[in-house]
Amino acid sequence: QQQVKQSPQSLIVQKGGISIINCAYENTAFDYFPWYQQFPGKGPALLIAIRPDVSEKKEGRFTISFNKSAKQFSLHIMDSQPGDSATYFCAAYRDRGSTLGRLYFGRGTQLTVWP
Amino acid sequence: GAGVSQSPSNKVTEKGKDVELRCDPISGHTALYWYRQSLGQGLEFLIYFQGNSAPDKSGLPSDRFSAERTGGSVSTLTIQRTQQEDSAVYLCASSGTPQGLNNEQFFGPGTRLTVL
Repeated sequence: QQQVKQSPQSLIVQKGGISIINCAYENTAFDYFPWYQQFPGKGPALLIAIRPDVSEKKEGRFTISFNKSAKQFSLHIMDSQPGDSATYFCAAYRDRGSTLGRLYFGRGTQLTVWP
Repeated sequence: GAGVSQSPSNKVTEKGKDVELRCDPISGHTALYWYRQSLGQGLEFLIYFQGNSAPDKSGLPSDRFSAERTGGSVSTLTIQRTQQEDSAVYLCASSGTPQGLNNEQFFGPGTRLTVL
């Protein structure tokens, strides 16, 4: 059972465009939503994260939008660059309970930014 | 400082053989995780160690999989009688300080396992 659903599976964007990746979750116990960026041959690295008490978080060209009532969150990459080409994973976890700290990942989005 | 390291980086084995994958977490991190990444399947949780607590083994796919963490630091993931469906990249991550709850998980580069 996929606890975090991510779309699209792949995304092609022109340089300078906006990349948007969407995720949805069911478990309302989740209280931390990170996005990871993974380059080929490397492990995932934290890109940006949000908690459900805010609706948006921005760091540079990267923004997370969070809709608690819809149980959805999305990553927006403004002014996309070829160096942003990577696989992006959304994730969720909760700070309490028997599965403390375990991350539930989406299936990933392979982003390609054309120069 | 040094990040999470994993060894070997690549492992090719024959079906039915046992393999051991090693993870060296970031020094001082209290939590250690193993995930499996298969093509098109995202990252699948396997097992989680937190300090001296009993590990959360709920993600292990079968009893052929086991893991241990010695001295609260290095961890070994063992797969017995490997099958072709075990082929994947095995990722280790660590996080947490003794003072706080889990926060960012730092991932190693992974071990690519190929079972022939």
